Amino acid sequence: GAGVSQSPSNKVTEKGKDVELRCDPISGHTALYWYRQRLGQGLEFLIYFQGNSAPDKSGLPSDRFSAERTGESVSTLTIQRTQQEDSAVYLCASSLATTDTQYFGPGTRLTVL
Amino acid sequence: AQKVTQAQTEISVVEKEDVTLDCVYETRDTTYYLFWYKQPPSGELVFLIRRNSFDEQNEISGRYSWNFQKSTSSFNFTITASQVVDSAVYFCALSEAPGGSEKLVFGKGMKLTVNP
Repeated sequence: GAGVSQSPSNKVTEKGKDVELRCDPISGHTALYWYRQRLGQGLEFLIYFQGNSAPDKSGLPSDRFSAERTGESVSTLTIQRTQQEDSAVYLCASSLATTDTQYFGPGTRLTVL
Repeated sequence: AQKVTQAQTEISVVEKEDVTLDCVYETRDTTYYLFWYKQPPSGELVFLIRRNSFDEQNEISGRYSWNFQKSTSSFNFTITASQVVDSAVYFCALSEAPGGSEKLVFGKGMKLTVNP
């Protein structure tokens, strides 16, 4: 079946602009996660959703970052007033339930000029 | 706090060599899960294995094997007879038991290059 998909695959933006990153989880997966991977680094947890609610937002770096999920499906990660340090690959993962294995999408590479 | 350490940052081997990737973890939980993921040059993370803290049996899958030792808090990964297609960054990760934080805590990754 289809895996996790993310769009866009690449996004170049100017400092100060807002961006929206989209994640389509595997159908039927109730849990959805966002991670950030800076160049040459491991993955940092940002936020996760169980259904449409976000029990853990502890990884969001600042109030410029927000995320929502609707219909227990698609999720959008929004970064307002982007800064150069926001440049990274943003990865989305989904799992059948929060205790199950997370399967990752291909990521969105964000470059802030 | 949870922590995953992959002490090796980069390894280069010649095809057909065996290679072991080290992973040491820290957690206060008695129930937890350990994972290995592969990230090839294409960038997408590929799930390799999940192991819960109560199952210390070693696992073998083809050329891949995993050695889980709670006594040393290690979950090492061995590739036997490496191939060029094994070239990737490999991440070890840890998650807490159900009811705790559901996030994965990743190590910094280890870049494996297999040369022909």
